[in-house]
Amino acid sequence: EVQLVESGGGLVQPGRSLRLSCAASGFTFDDYAMHWVRQAPGKGLEWVSGISWNSGSLLYADSVKGRFTISRDNAKNSLYLQMDSLRADDTALYYCAKDINYASSSRGLDYWGLGTLVTVSS
Amino acid sequence: QSALTQPASVSGSPGQSITISCTGTSSDIGTYNYVSWYQQHPGKAPKLMIYDVSNRPSGVSYRFSASKSGNTASLTISGLQAEDEADYYCTSYTSRRTLVFGTGTKVTVL
Repeated sequence: EVQLVESGGGLVQPGRSLRLSCAASGFTFDDYAMHWVRQAPGKGLEWVSGISWNSGSLLYADSVKGRFTISRDNAKNSLYLQMDSLRADDTALYYCAKDINYASSSRGLDYWGLGTLVTVSS
Repeated sequence: QSALTQPASVSGSPGQSITISCTGTSSDIGTYNYVSWYQQHPGKAPKLMIYDVSNRPSGVSYRFSASKSGNTASLTISGLQAEDEADYYCTSYTSRRTLVFGTGTKVTVL
């Protein structure tokens, strides 16, 4: 059974940093691209970042480029999102999602975690 | 990158068919066949319903179908059922090497 479990969310002050993790199991992690998608309270889905199977391709939304860094450790079946210079509008539930493809040019996200909540507030 | 445009809401009676449109540009839907659709029930994680414009993952009901014409993609739900009431989002890969989601459509079963 495929499982994606996010962790690392919490309350953080504007300008500070946070690192999200996603532990994957139930599939061959290094065969697939992975993504982070967020959803602000009561709002729609927003793609944040994606990474190819071998970390050779890193993609970012304009809203987080230069502030967030995606990475993965295939030996640990884990995905990460380093979030720096956090702003109030980064407040959201952050989902980790598995791509159906190895490349980061997503064809579809077939498994999702339950999300981890990030709240940016003073 | 602006979000893809979807109608805010679509409704239908049980058994009817409804169609949700998703309008993009020549930089996303118009160029790439990497269009997917997601269903999200309140408080739940999204579920992949369609990938590569019109392909259904294993386990997704045949009542869900999709297509693309030009810069617009469409999701059709036939034989509408109460359990189909949810939010639906489209997404596409873009020429700027990003993914963009649609604005979301709330489907109501009357």
